Amino acid sequence: SQQGEEDPQALSIQEGENATMNCSYKTSINNLQWYRQNSGRGLVHLILIRSNEREKHSGRLRVTLDTSKKSSSLLITASRAADTASYFCATGSAVLMSGSRLTFGEGTQLTVNP
Amino acid sequence: DAGVIQSPRHEVTEMGQEVTLRCKPISGHNSLFWYRQTMMRGLELLIYFNNNVPIDDSGMPEDRFSAKMPNASFSTLKIQPSEPRDSAVYFCASGGRDTDVGYTFGSGTRLTVV
Repeated sequence: SQQGEEDPQALSIQEGENATMNCSYKTSINNLQWYRQNSGRGLVHLILIRSNEREKHSGRLRVTLDTSKKSSSLLITASRAADTASYFCATGSAVLMSGSRLTFGEGTQLTVNP
Repeated sequence: DAGVIQSPRHEVTEMGQEVTLRCKPISGHNSLFWYRQTMMRGLELLIYFNNNVPIDDSGMPEDRFSAKMPNASFSTLKIQPSEPRDSAVYFCASGGRDTDVGYTFGSGTRLTVV
């Protein structure tokens, strides 16, 4: 079953605008990760935020995490056509201290129009 | 590093045939995951290994599915007998002991069962 739910399912913006995607989850986590998937390709890890962190930046990416609301957001600033892809949030929950199981949401399809 | 290597990239087989998907994780990574992606169900975790030991196979849909990891550099996912509803893209991912950097996905195997 899917842990995370992304919102919106699809987002279309113009180049240069900011894109915000949201993710909600249901159970306790020890980290939340965002991945990107281009059509027909594998997933690429973008950024990870731990459960004790509230905000994290990486280049044009900004991630926030609110564990009280069980939600996260991914902001892409100054978007480019090359940012067009599907974006997934994934929650990590350590199991028996033997690695972290990742459960993915359904993704947001972002289209950046040139 | 060549990343996570999956083979074959594409597989078309007839219903009832045995299918074997292969994965070579990144050297030094100790966790390996098999995911299945379809339009209807999104990304589903099938099974994951830690230090070559299966930790959670609750996502394996049926007894027709089996996975092995005989050593740290190789894993297989086998479907026997295959059915049309098994058609999907199967991804392998690996992760190191530092789970904070996320996981690395292979390019996937697109399986079509006719």
